Amino acid sequence: EMHLVESGGGFVQPGGSLRLSCAASGFTFSRHTMIWVRQAPGKGLEWVSGIGLGGSGATYADSVKGRVTISRDDSKSTLYLQMDSLRAEDTAIYYCATDSNWEPNCWGLGTLVTVSS
Amino acid sequence: VVLTQSPLSLPVTLGQPASISCRSSQSLVYSDGRTFLHWFHQRPGQSPRRLIYQVSNRDSGVPDRFRGSGSGTDFTLKISRVEAEDVGVYYCMQGTHWPNTFGQGTKLEI
Repeated sequence: EMHLVESGGGFVQPGGSLRLSCAASGFTFSRHTMIWVRQAPGKGLEWVSGIGLGGSGATYADSVKGRVTISRDDSKSTLYLQMDSLRAEDTAIYYCATDSNWEPNCWGLGTLVTVSS
Repeated sequence: VVLTQSPLSLPVTLGQPASISCRSSQSLVYSDGRTFLHWFHQRPGQSPRRLIYQVSNRDSGVPDRFRGSGSGTDFTLKISRVEAEDVGVYYCMQGTHWPNTFGQGTKLEI
């Protein structure tokens, strides 16, 4: 069974940094495009970033471009999201997921990032 | 690409049908002819779950009362007979263009 487990969230002051991780199991991680999606408290889903096979085609939403870097380590079946220059509006639950275009589709339970002074 | 859902709130009666519209600001037809428009359901406190992928394909375990349709820029999710477990928020999402985008969400309540 496919599993994704996010970690690395927490409380950080504005301007600070965090590195989120997403550990995959139960499937061949290297064969899947992966994405990060976030959800601010009481709000809808926002696609944040995606990365293709072998680390190709990293793409970012305009809201995080220049402040966030997505990467992957296929040898560890792990996806990462390095977030710098964090702002209050980055406060959200961050989910990792397999690319939604194909089946099967898997999401993690999310990790909460809180940016506040 | 902007996805616009309607309605944003959908009060329904158990056993009755429900329908959600999703309109895209651009065609969602990819260069290979496929259309990457998907539907997700999220219950309070839970992760989103995909129900429908590529317009009309139901994910494994999704009841056949859920049906997706549409083409180009106009898409619809229909529930033939709403059940209590269907409450929550429904999102359309496009995977044709990067960055991918979600609709605002439609809250279905009994």
